[in-house]
Amino acid sequence: AQTVTQSQPEMSVQEAETVTLSCTYDTSESDYYLFWYKQPPSRQMILVIRQEAYKQQNATENRFSVNFQKAAKSFSLKISDSQLGDAAMYFCGSGTYKYIFGTGTRLKVLA
Amino acid sequence: NAGVTQTPKFRILKIGQSMTLQCAQDMNHNYMYWYRQDPGMGLKLIYYSVGAGITDKGEVPNGYNVSRSTTEDFPLRLELAAPSQTSVYFCASSTQGFMAEAFFGQGTRLTVV
Repeated sequence: AQTVTQSQPEMSVQEAETVTLSCTYDTSESDYYLFWYKQPPSRQMILVIRQEAYKQQNATENRFSVNFQKAAKSFSLKISDSQLGDAAMYFCGSGTYKYIFGTGTRLKVLA
Repeated sequence: NAGVTQTPKFRILKIGQSMTLQCAQDMNHNYMYWYRQDPGMGLKLIYYSVGAGITDKGEVPNGYNVSRSTTEDFPLRLELAAPSQTSVYFCASSTQGFMAEAFFGQGTRLTVV
């Protein structure tokens, strides 16, 4: 069975600092995709970053990067130079055709 | 450029009533998904479809039905609404599952009383 676990219900970071959100997953698939979505108070789901499991190189999108450890089934998100606009719920997910999400981490950015 | 459109945005149902949540996309995406989001529980996959005429169950399909007669539309039917179905429902679509970016609708907040 597919599972995605986010063990940090809430995290806080000072503006301009760096924060890492944790995610572990389990799957029996040999090839799959991992992703992080952001959900601000508007409820809109916004793709932050996506990683293909067969690619060893960690994905990066501007201030957002991942640390993908395939053997450990870990997929953490690092946000550098945090901004007030980064405050949101962050959901980790995985799958091939059927995609499931973790329970989310609420990120607070302190001015 | 409408993207994924969900209607209605809000709805209150009485226990035992039925309703259909509408989802339409204008991007010619083959893959479509329905999720529900309960407070503190993340998003749970209800049903998904990889193309017109093809649907499959997700993590929490009980109490729901779907159909996919066209590429554009993927309605979610609730029969005999129960308080446990109070949630925010999201529809999403993409060209190749989540191999390509999935686009989400704005959500439908449903309350069953």
